Amino acid sequence: DSGVTQTPKHLITATGQRVTLRCSPRSGDLSVYWYQQSLDQGLQFLIQYYNGEERAKGNILERFSAQQFPDLHSELNLSSLELGDSALYFCASSVAWRGGYNEQFFGPGTRLTVL
Amino acid sequence: QQPVQSPQAVILREGEDAVINCSSSKALYSVHWYRQKHGEAPVFLMILLKGGEQKGHEKISASFNEKKQQSSLYLTASQLSYSGTYFCGTEMRGGSEKLVFGKGTKLTVNP
Repeated sequence: DSGVTQTPKHLITATGQRVTLRCSPRSGDLSVYWYQQSLDQGLQFLIQYYNGEERAKGNILERFSAQQFPDLHSELNLSSLELGDSALYFCASSVAWRGGYNEQFFGPGTRLTVL
Repeated sequence: QQPVQSPQAVILREGEDAVINCSSSKALYSVHWYRQKHGEAPVFLMILLKGGEQKGHEKISASFNEKKQQSSLYLTASQLSYSGTYFCGTEMRGGSEKLVFGKGTKLTVNP
């Protein structure tokens, strides 16, 4: 158990809908990262927040947005969902603001299925 | 830019050794190694921050050749529990400070 929690574990929805994925980082970690993992693909970095502020951005679609709240939990919002958005979405956390500086602890993931 | 991992897949018998490589087209600030078992979250193995650095984790170790912009993960006397997909993640020097992962190397250890 990494100490990072994600809800829900599974999400099934229809095209065009909007969903929110939630992540709580490990106690003491200020950085939260979101990754997308599609079938047979690696981990695609989406976005990072550090202590409430956006720190780094990856290939995140305009239909996707995220935020980190004062209690440090984070939410990833996916809207106008398409079939291709079906994937495993991981949240990770770390102490440092720099993504490559120390280890990232991954949550169990949310499996999103868009029908 | 995404690092390139090789090989894409490897099959071993228990007790055999394997090497997984991770190469970047740009100078690196750090290299991370993670292992992911099917249906589970990636688990951190080790991070290398300095050129020439080598680290060990049980019978799994890694090296970082800064000049060649590459890292290698060494698995010796493999165990069944080593099966999974290994990802390297790299942060490039002068980049946006984000970790970019390779596509992974699937390792299967058979009895």
